[in-house]
Amino acid sequence: TQLLKQSPQFLSIQEGENLTVYCNSSSVFSSLQWYRQEPGEGPVLLVTVVTGGEVKKLKRLTFQFGDARKDSSLHITAAQPGDTGLYLCAGDPGNKLVFGAGTILRVKS
Amino acid sequence: GAVVSQHPSWVICKSGTSVKIECRSLDFQATTMFWYRQFPKQSLMLMATSNEGSKATYEQGVEKDKFLINHASLTLSTLTVTSAHPEDSSFYICSAPPPGNNEQFFGPGTRLTVL
Repeated sequence: TQLLKQSPQFLSIQEGENLTVYCNSSSVFSSLQWYRQEPGEGPVLLVTVVTGGEVKKLKRLTFQFGDARKDSSLHITAAQPGDTGLYLCAGDPGNKLVFGAGTILRVKS
Repeated sequence: GAVVSQHPSWVICKSGTSVKIECRSLDFQATTMFWYRQFPKQSLMLMATSNEGSKATYEQGVEKDKFLINHASLTLSTLTVTSAHPEDSSFYICSAPPPGNNEQFFGPGTRLTVL
């Protein structure tokens, strides 16, 4: 049973388009994290959301944490080829991180 | 931010041999480190939690005799893949949370190829 369901699994879009990645769970998390990973490298933390209903912005990236702290979303505005990568959500059910399946994003110029 | 390193970054070995991968926290002490395995275009799968000075905690389905973990100091954890087989070929990544910080910092990963 996957604790964190992430969708979509793959996304191929044109430069300038907007996109949203979803991370859903039936469990409540004290916090959720979003990572970006490039091929052959380790994941890099983008943001941690802690409070239900919280919205955080990182340049063109907007992260939301659901009111019930069971789901989160990542919205990218005007995607650029440099946004290409694997996006992972992760939650801590107790002293360890569990990851969603990941979303492979490809932004074509 | 905190820095975690891994060595080697890639390794190729023959089937049946053992391979050791090191994970170091460079600017902080880590009583706990985590080892993950990642197949191409897939997410990270937690293999085990490495505990300084005590036995590692393995996730269900991960063979502890196959993947030996040693956390001998507060800055170093090692993962040894014993009697490696081609199906062990994967990307192995470690992570560590700095003290008082529940955010984890990841190493750059080690690409293992078993021939």
